[in-house]
Amino acid sequence: GAVVSQHPSRVICKSGTSVKIECRSLDFQATTMFWYRQFPKQSLMLMATSNEGSKATYEQGVEKDKFLINHASLTLSTLTVTSAHPEDSSFYICSARDRAYNSPLHFGNGTRLTVT
Amino acid sequence: AQSVTQLDSHVSVSEGTPVLLRCNYSSSYSPSLFWYVQHPNKGLQLLLKYTSAATLVKGINGFEAEFKKSETSFHLTKPSAHMSDAAEYFCALAGGTSYGKLTFGQGTILTVHP
Repeated sequence: GAVVSQHPSRVICKSGTSVKIECRSLDFQATTMFWYRQFPKQSLMLMATSNEGSKATYEQGVEKDKFLINHASLTLSTLTVTSAHPEDSSFYICSARDRAYNSPLHFGNGTRLTVT
Repeated sequence: AQSVTQLDSHVSVSEGTPVLLRCNYSSSYSPSLFWYVQHPNKGLQLLLKYTSAATLVKGINGFEAEFKKSETSFHLTKPSAHMSDAAEYFCALAGGTSYGKLTFGQGTILTVHP
């Protein structure tokens, strides 16, 4: 079945540094990928929609200059958390949808970001 | 506006007994509804989905859910719980033309006792 690979699974960084998270669709092409954030004991909140070859669409309240999204190919989207702060510590999950019509969403295994 | 409400934050059952996880939704569109399972520090795995076909949907691992428009509900059930079912479950809604933008419920943690 379709697989979405997310890397790294865990990352610890110092406050003020930037962290890049990769999301790859391994056996299908994804024109659209979605980035979610999940705080402890809370649900998933959509951060942005990543579109191949164009700018990402951010949800209200999400800082586009802080969470940089690049979707340079049909199989790769990246989320860069710039100038990370402790409040950015969270679980980030990407999802991708096969470009085929009415295909389901596939989720990555998530990235646990801890900012110290 | 769309919303999903999972009525129980925690559900605890004994192994071998039925499971019921409740989900209500609100949507201006004909909804597509999903149930996902999440194990600790893992991504989400799709259990089942409703997309305007049969109202009783069968999923993986013996789970099923029934779409009831009159009650705006999409409850998840399983006849007999297994220890491996212990996880967090999310009900999600996709509406309108944006199939990939899911609105998630708050999640229900299922505990299974031996």
